[in-house]
Order: sequence, then structure tokens, then C-alpha cells
Amino acid sequence: DGGITQSPKYLFRKEGQNVTLSCEQNLNHDAMYWYRQDPGQGLRLIYYSQIVNDFQKGDIAEGYSVSREKKESFPLTVTSAQKNPTAFYLCASSDGGGNTEAFFGQGTRLTVV
Amino acid sequence: AQSVTQPDIHITVSEGASLELRCNYSYGATPYLFWYVQSPGQGLQLLLKYFSGDTLVQGIKGFEAEFKRSQSSFNLRKPSVHWSDAAEYFCAMEYGNKLVFGAGTILRVKS
Repeated sequence: DGGITQSPKYLFRKEGQNVTLSCEQNLNHDAMYWYRQDPGQGLRLIYYSQIVNDFQKGDIAEGYSVSREKKESFPLTVTSAQKNPTAFYLCASSDGGGNTEAFFGQGTRLTVV
Repeated sequence: AQSVTQPDIHITVSEGASLELRCNYSYGATPYLFWYVQSPGQGLQLLLKYFSGDTLVQGIKGFEAEFKRSQSSFNLRKPSVHWSDAAEYFCAMEYGNKLVFGAGTILRVKS
């Protein structure tokens, strides 16, 4: 089945530790995105990538990092510099070019204690 | 600045009643617009999209939306709500190869 897979579904980390969230897609999409979701704030764009080996900061990139070494994969690292990392993180992909729908993964809920 | 506004945080409707969820956008040109639905703890599923042409678009699960340029709106409608429609609904706008989302509207359905 084609789709976009995020793992793990739940993640717990101690404060001050870096953590990496996985996102893999087999839709052959060029573009991939990371969003953060907090109650009442909708989805806010963290980083996006239109092509392999290239990515751009979104609206709330501080404290996060990404890589795009393969078309299928777009991992997100939440660093210790992120002041409030506890949130629901959603990865998406699309054909790119704007007028196509984005397909979303099931999300990863990160809790920092 | 480009933005999407969903004025209603929560809406409660009775099962079988009609539904309208509001969405307003701010953009200098005709945008690409989307409605997504999210069940608790899940990803987002596309309900419908507007790119151009007919301003009334049909989507899945019996939903439709109407693009009104004069009002900068893209409201989502359903003639008869089912209990399974209870979820959070997001309006989104594409520009610059990015999707910008509204804050979402939580729909509650009472029997």
C-alpha cells in the first residue's frame, strides 16, 4: 500500500535530550513537510523540502533540524534548543507544484518530561 | 500576510441537522484551498479542494464547499450531519508551495 509512515506513534524523552522523528513515504512524492500541532493553534509549518538535498525553514524552525538525503525520507530532529517540544508532530508529502493535495502520516506525539 | 481564519473553535449540531463551517483567507490572488478532517490522534484526510473553475466543489462523505471571492471565504457545508462526522476540521490555503492552515473547528454531534 502506498502511503506515508511516521514512527514511533508515541515518544517520551527527558528534557535536554535530542530526539529524531521518522517520516517515510512510498508515494514517489518530491515534496515533504513537517508540521507541529498544538490545541487551538492549527498546524504550523516547521520545515519543508521540495527536492532531495534541499529544504527550507517554515514558520517555527527554531530548535528543529531536518535532512533530506533520500526522496523517501525526511527525518525531523527536535533539539534541546526547542523550548517547548511537547506536541503532536505531523509529516506530509505531495507531488509539489502547489495545486496538489498533501498526504499526511498518522503523527507522532512527543512528550518531554 | 497570507493567512487562514476559522472563526469558530467549537460547533455543536444535532444529528441530521445541516452544517456550515466557516473559513476566510487572506491572499492577493486566487488561492488553492482545501478542507481536511482529523479524528483524535490521527493524521489529516482531505475532504475537498478548490483550484479554479466551478466555485461549488463536491468532496467525500457528502461534504461540499463554496468559494466566494468577494467574501474571501471557502465555507464547508453538509446537508445532514451523522454522528461519525464528529472530528476537527481544518481549512488550508496553498501558496509558495506551502500549506497554511487555520486553527481548526471542533465539531460535536449530539444525538
